[in-house]
Amino acid sequence: ETGVTQSPTHLIKTRGQQVTLRCSSQSGHNTVSWYQQALGQGPQFIFQYYREEENGRGNFPPRFSGLQFPNYSSELNVNALELDDSALYLCASSLEAQETQYFGPGTRLLVL
Amino acid sequence: DQQVKQNSPSLSVQEGRISILNCDYTNSMFDYFLWYKKYPAEGPTFLISISSIKDKNEDGRFTVFLNKSAKHLSLHIVPSQPGDSAVYFCAATHNDYKLSFGAGTTVTVRA
Repeated sequence: ETGVTQSPTHLIKTRGQQVTLRCSSQSGHNTVSWYQQALGQGPQFIFQYYREEENGRGNFPPRFSGLQFPNYSSELNVNALELDDSALYLCASSLEAQETQYFGPGTRLLVL
Repeated sequence: DQQVKQNSPSLSVQEGRISILNCDYTNSMFDYFLWYKKYPAEGPTFLISISSIKDKNEDGRFTVFLNKSAKHLSLHIVPSQPGDSAVYFCAATHNDYKLSFGAGTTVTVRA
């Protein structure tokens, strides 16, 4: 059974640029959630995708957007990057209607 | 608005002894609670969970206790091992999509 994978592992961007992060869910999981973890804090929920539709959103601006594909992999897009967007971005997958979310290793984004 | 709080940023315990990690929450709607463990450069790993209909759940060396009236849960690790040194996150949810996390507690197990 393949776990959750994310790419890239690290990324450096400059302010104002756009970035796309990718996530492949665990085999059999159709739900993907994205979290942002700033240094010294717990993960903060960005949004969740279930069967290719957004299923809930946290307190993040519209420049954070996402997509889920028919194979249940997902992308997180962030436009107009700001310095405060520097963080670890975590993707988690789960079975339908299951609370237990299984996390990938994350993508470390640095915005200069 | 921090709905889940882990007030102890760090904990140091001797190998073989008990580690007790605490977590408080403010949202009475939360009905499912989870603990995750995180090593540096890795994503959080699910450890153990508990539903609000229970007050205790045990899995090997890990036991989670839930006190709904106090809005408090704790994770006990017995006995503590060097490989338990990591950051532990408490999380809570009242639906199936959003997990609210605490800020984490760094556990160091001393030999």
